[in-house]
Amino acid sequence: NAGVMQNPRHLVRRRGQEARLRCSPMKGHSHVYWYRQLPEEGLKFMVYLQKENIIDESGMPKERFSAEFPKEGPSILRIQQVVRGDSAAYFCASSQGTGNEQFFGPGTRLTVL
Amino acid sequence: EDQVTQSPEALRLQEGESSSLNCSYTVSGLRGLFWYRQDPGKGPEFLFTLYSAGEEKEKERLKATLTKKESFLHITAPKPEDSATYLCAVHSGTASKLTFGTGTRLQVTL
Repeated sequence: NAGVMQNPRHLVRRRGQEARLRCSPMKGHSHVYWYRQLPEEGLKFMVYLQKENIIDESGMPKERFSAEFPKEGPSILRIQQVVRGDSAAYFCASSQGTGNEQFFGPGTRLTVL
Repeated sequence: EDQVTQSPEALRLQEGESSSLNCSYTVSGLRGLFWYRQDPGKGPEFLFTLYSAGEEKEKERLKATLTKKESFLHITAPKPEDSATYLCAVHSGTASKLTFGTGTRLQVTL
């Protein structure tokens, strides 16, 4: 049973470029969550999606950040015009339903030069 | 707003020296409290879910308990491989997200 998969594991971008982070949930899971972890800080919720729908984006910055979970393919977190403050570890989690355990992927570590 | 506070921030134990980690929470309508383990450079690994006060769950050397205001993760006779950061998170009300504490960094030495 494959767990949650994320790619790339490491991503380096220069200021102003775009970053695309991908997440494939566990088999049988239709709920996807994105979290950000800054050094020495806890995990912070960004967005919750189900297939083709954004359910809760209350933790996502209004500008430059967007997320999608298409009918086919992985969930994608997109960061446009990256700035140094976007450097962090981005984790994706999936669950069978709201309130169920969330299982996390290995994360994508984004470094903005 | 949901709040989760974990203590201590860091804990150093000798192998075999039992101890407890604390997670205090303030939420409106707890739906579940979750414990995760995170190793450096990796994603959080699910350990336990607790739903109601008085509930307990065990796994190997770990035991999690829950009251109306806090949860404890008891580690009995720890081994060096138990070294990690332990995260507590809550799921409350109608929210879909987990609210995490900042974790306890546990180091177990020989």
